[in-house]
Amino acid sequence: SSELTQDPAVSVALGQTVRITCQGDSLRSYYASWYQVKPGQAPVLVIYDKNNRPSGIPDRFSGSRSGNTASLTITGAQAEDEADYYCNSRDSGGNLYWVFGGGTKLTVL
Amino acid sequence: QVQLQESGPGLVKPSETPSLTCTVSGDSVNPYYWSWIRQPPGKGLEWIGYMHYSGGANYNPSLKSRVTMSVDTSKNQFSLKLSSVTAADTAVYYCARIAVTGGDAFDIWGQGTMVTVSS
Repeated sequence: SSELTQDPAVSVALGQTVRITCQGDSLRSYYASWYQVKPGQAPVLVIYDKNNRPSGIPDRFSGSRSGNTASLTITGAQAEDEADYYCNSRDSGGNLYWVFGGGTKLTVL
Repeated sequence: QVQLQESGPGLVKPSETPSLTCTVSGDSVNPYYWSWIRQPPGKGLEWIGYMHYSGGANYNPSLKSRVTMSVDTSKNQFSLKLSSVTAADTAVYYCARIAVTGGDAFDIWGQGTMVTVSS
C-alpha cells in the first residue's frame, strides 16, 4: 500500500503565503485531496481533484501537483486558517483503497 | 443539503464488537460510495474502509480481518462493525461520502462519534 508523507508542523505570519506539502507514489497517479481539521470539529474538504474548491471555501486555498508531491497553498493566511491539514488520495495499487498523510499542524503567527 | 450523523455505543469493553451507524439525510445512499474514517486522540486520520450501496466494499488491510461494513437502503443508513476491539481502537469515528466525480475525495463528513475501549 502507498504512504503519504507530510511535515508535522508549519508556521506562517498573518497575511503571508504558506505551502503545505504531501509526498507519495500514489500522487503520480491520483490528485490529492486536502482536509482542514480544527479541534473538536469534523474534517472539512478544502481542495479536491486537480485544484477545485468546494462551495464556501475561500479562494486563498489552492492546490497543485508536481511529480510525487502535492501542495496546498494558502495565499494570505488568516488566523482562522490555523488548523491541522491532511492530504489523502487513492492508493495506486489498483484497488479502491485510500490513504491519508500524517497531517501538518499550521500555526498562524 | 446532505447530512451524515454517526451513532455508536460510546464506551465498550475490550474484545467486544461495537457497531456504528451512519444515517444519511437529504439524499439517498444510492448510488454513492461511503466510507468510515477514524482519528485516535492526538493522532491522525486513518481510513477504515469503503462500501457501495450495491454491496461492494474494501477495507484497510491493517483492519480487514476485524471490519465488516453493510448498508441498509430502506433506512438510508450504513454501518461499521469492528470486532475484538482493544484500547488502540479508541477514536472518533467519522462516516463520509466519497465524491467519485470529484477526485474521489471525502466531500461530506459526519460530526463523528467517540468510541472508547476500556474495561
